[in-house]
Amino acid sequence: GNSVTQMEGPVTLSEEAFLTINCTYTATGYPSLFWYVQYPGEGLQLLLKATKADDKGSNKGFEATYRKETTSFHLEKGSVQVSDSAVYFCALLFYSSASKIIFGSGTRLSIRP
Amino acid sequence: GAGVSQSPSNKVTEKGKDVELRCDPISGHTALYWYRQSLGQGLEFLIYFQGNSAPDKSGLPSDRFSAERTGGSVSTLTIQRTQQEDSAVYLCASSLEGVGRGNTDTQYFGPGTRLTVL
Repeated sequence: GNSVTQMEGPVTLSEEAFLTINCTYTATGYPSLFWYVQYPGEGLQLLLKATKADDKGSNKGFEATYRKETTSFHLEKGSVQVSDSAVYFCALLFYSSASKIIFGSGTRLSIRP
Repeated sequence: GAGVSQSPSNKVTEKGKDVELRCDPISGHTALYWYRQSLGQGLEFLIYFQGNSAPDKSGLPSDRFSAERTGGSVSTLTIQRTQQEDSAVYLCASSLEGVGRGNTDTQYFGPGTRLTVL
């Protein structure tokens, strides 16, 4: 079946540190891939997405590249800020059949000043 | 314009009672989705509407759960005879077109309804 595996948290970093949150997927086909973010007390927001292999999604300094050969979509940011503290969800979606998003379990990120 | 809204934001109920959760999608969005976020299960899909019909109900956990959508807009998720394991945050999302056509629609999420079953 289709699934998403992402690194377990919590992840705690100092401000301006480099961030990587790993995400790999299992899918019978070529899904679209997403990172969603949930800030404290807020709803889920789309952070970035990539719809085909080698696409790079980027937003707010975050980047992730759709790697078909390694079935990965790792999230990176060069210099994190306290305001990046949130829960990050990796997800996949097939538009050709059911339109449900399959989410990873989420990674809680805390940034120390 | 307004985003996806959900009501109530919090609901506390007693075991065995019925509850209704409401979702107002973004105006003009034809597709609507319900998800559930719980501690033990993470984020899971419940049901998808295209217009007023529900082509995918595969995520509904039991026959106590039902949902409807009227006028291609507002949707109501109903849980009958609630159980403690139904406690979760229920999220609604909408997108412009939904399934098919190879589109790359983004799903926009509401703030959720936190349901607590005592």
